[in-house]
Amino acid sequence: DRQMTQSPSSLSASVGDRVTITCRTSQSITSSLNWYQQKPGKAPKLLIYAASSLQSGVPSRFSGSGSGTDFSLTISSLQPEDFATYYCQHRGAFGQGTKVEIK
Amino acid sequence: EVLLVESGGGLVQPGGSLRLSCTASGFTFSSDWMSWVRQGPGKGLEWVGQIKEDGSETHYVDSVRGRFIISRDNAKNSVYLQMDSLRAEDTGIYYCARDSAGTTFDYWGQGTLVTVSS
Repeated sequence: DRQMTQSPSSLSASVGDRVTITCRTSQSITSSLNWYQQKPGKAPKLLIYAASSLQSGVPSRFSGSGSGTDFSLTISSLQPEDFATYYCQHRGAFGQGTKVEIK
Repeated sequence: EVLLVESGGGLVQPGGSLRLSCTASGFTFSSDWMSWVRQGPGKGLEWVGQIKEDGSETHYVDSVRGRFIISRDNAKNSVYLQMDSLRAEDTGIYYCARDSAGTTFDYWGQGTLVTVSS
């Protein structure tokens, strides 16, 4: 089975910080990688699809990059509403999640 | 506006059965794959399975294969998750999601809670 490894599992950051989360897969998946944001008690929300395409309505401070086995999600300037858990996903596999907390 | 509404969750004893429903609106339901994704208490997301647009193809995670069945009724804009032989580890929130191109979960329901306990 394909493994998805996210890092870090959690991080503390301040409003305005630049934050990067990485996702590594055990096999090459070209650019077929998506990123989701989940806030407590809410359903996940698609942020980035196909590694780097911004879902409609998602703020431009979110960006994705990578291909093959290494991918990243970057928030250019962290906002209060961005404190949440982020997941990468390829087909039937999700990463374990990265919780972004307030420093 | 795309809307997905799940129902059917509840408390069930180990070994029991439950059927979840998800009713969709705001898009052409018969043109999209649909998936079920679950989340155990305090845990991450786990894909459960998916069904093709016309219902001719389904896929499941290993842990539920043979116990869960996904079906759909395109005339009712609905997808279902029949869960049998339930175990404590099946406890969690179950989300249905539109599965765009069979690869991307672009819209999600609000989820329905399943608790397996005696």
